[in-house]
Amino acid sequence: DTEVTQTPKHLVMGMTNKKSLKCEQHMGHRAMYWYKQKAKKPPELMFVYSYEKLSINESVPSRFSPECPNSSLLNLHLHALQPEDSALYLCASSQVGRRQGFSEAFFGQGTRLTVV
Amino acid sequence: SQELEQSPQSLIVQEGKNLTINCTSSKTLYGLYWYKQKYGEGLIFLMMLQKGGEEKSHEKITAKLDEKKQQSSLHITASQPSHAGIYLCGADRALSSGGSNYKLTFGKGTLLTVNP
Repeated sequence: DTEVTQTPKHLVMGMTNKKSLKCEQHMGHRAMYWYKQKAKKPPELMFVYSYEKLSINESVPSRFSPECPNSSLLNLHLHALQPEDSALYLCASSQVGRRQGFSEAFFGQGTRLTVV
Repeated sequence: SQELEQSPQSLIVQEGKNLTINCTSSKTLYGLYWYKQKYGEGLIFLMMLQKGGEEKSHEKITAKLDEKKQQSSLHITASQPSHAGIYLCGADRALSSGGSNYKLTFGKGTLLTVNP
């Protein structure tokens, strides 16, 4: 099973709303990632969790709040977003080897977020 | 910074034709990954290359990493409409000099169209 499941697939939210994106994997991966992808652009890293601890925050605004409640789940809590935050949000997971990298990452199908 | 240059940006081929996509880095690549993405969907892992001169194949897709580990190519033989999509090369990039944290960054992608 090389599946990373993201919910919801689509989300429309107002700028005053609070919502959460969810990601789940059962591959035993201990590294999980959030990426943001704008149209016609490559994915850009937002956060990395390693062994359920936040190891990388790519200077993401505080209106995005990640959470890793256990080794299989990754959440991204959203609050007071702006229209420019509309994008495809991708979750990924991988093994954690000798270094953070050198292990293929498996991606979910993404959540298409629209902020109105 | 280690940026990945992909070429061409887009490619239109007739079904049955062969094609090659290139990915070039200004620095040595420690882990090179190829992904495919359908528009608005998640990334599908294709192959990972680590060793200079390494070559891997899966079905009709072959990926190579040159001896200097600064350039990779993805070759599709006898293309089919199912090969259409965006091909992304990704590489592990060290977050700090001498550090042990890496992140996966992507080239801008190559949009492949296969006409029946």
